[in-house]
Amino acid sequence: SFVLTQPPSLSVAQGQTARLTCGARSINSVAVHWYQQKPNQAPVLVLFDDSARPSGVSERFSGYNSRDTATLTISRVEVGDEADYFCQLWDGRSDEGVFGGGTKLTVL
Amino acid sequence: QIQLQQSGARLVKPSETLSVTCAISGDSVSTHIAAWNWIRQSPSGGLEWLGKTAFRSKWTHNYAESVRSRITFTADTSRNEFYLQLDSVTPDDTAVYFCARLKGGKFDFWGQGTLVAVS
Repeated sequence: SFVLTQPPSLSVAQGQTARLTCGARSINSVAVHWYQQKPNQAPVLVLFDDSARPSGVSERFSGYNSRDTATLTISRVEVGDEADYFCQLWDGRSDEGVFGGGTKLTVL
Repeated sequence: QIQLQQSGARLVKPSETLSVTCAISGDSVSTHIAAWNWIRQSPSGGLEWLGKTAFRSKWTHNYAESVRSRITFTADTSRNEFYLQLDSVTPDDTAVYFCARLKGGKFDFWGQGTLVAVS
């Protein structure tokens, strides 16, 4: 089964690029999804199937999944991007959802 | 637009049963192309998947190992709702409980969350 590892925190200056990682052995064998969660709100899907954006999500959000690390990239970071970000996959063998521990993104 | 509306915050005593309702609009609880899930978020912030329920000619369920012995999902097609029941709760079950739709391996719609405190 998968154990997803995310750095607890990341600080990025406004206007720069944030790269949030999600690590697991052979993670690229499954699709990875990303959620943004702001305080006292439910998580919101911002990327699915490694790199696809739901309708309404900014083009500044992109992603890729390679070997043992999936990455969510946020370009031209804005103050409004400050949030917790969680990666998630569906483990088809156990038929269970798996979440990473989340990364708190701080915008300086 | 799909919306999931959850019941309100609860205070539950240890050893008692926790119950949360999720009302669906814009989709059907008995859809064959999605599943309905419960996920919780502890005060420390991590998300934990609790299980899913889906209708595939009959109701099917899959529960997370960590709660499998205490958890039950049910659904009411006439009300278009599904329900979480967690028995024998302890303070470790204190969390915000979310319902969410699972489609294509991702949770694309979420409820607003229900705070459940066990004390």
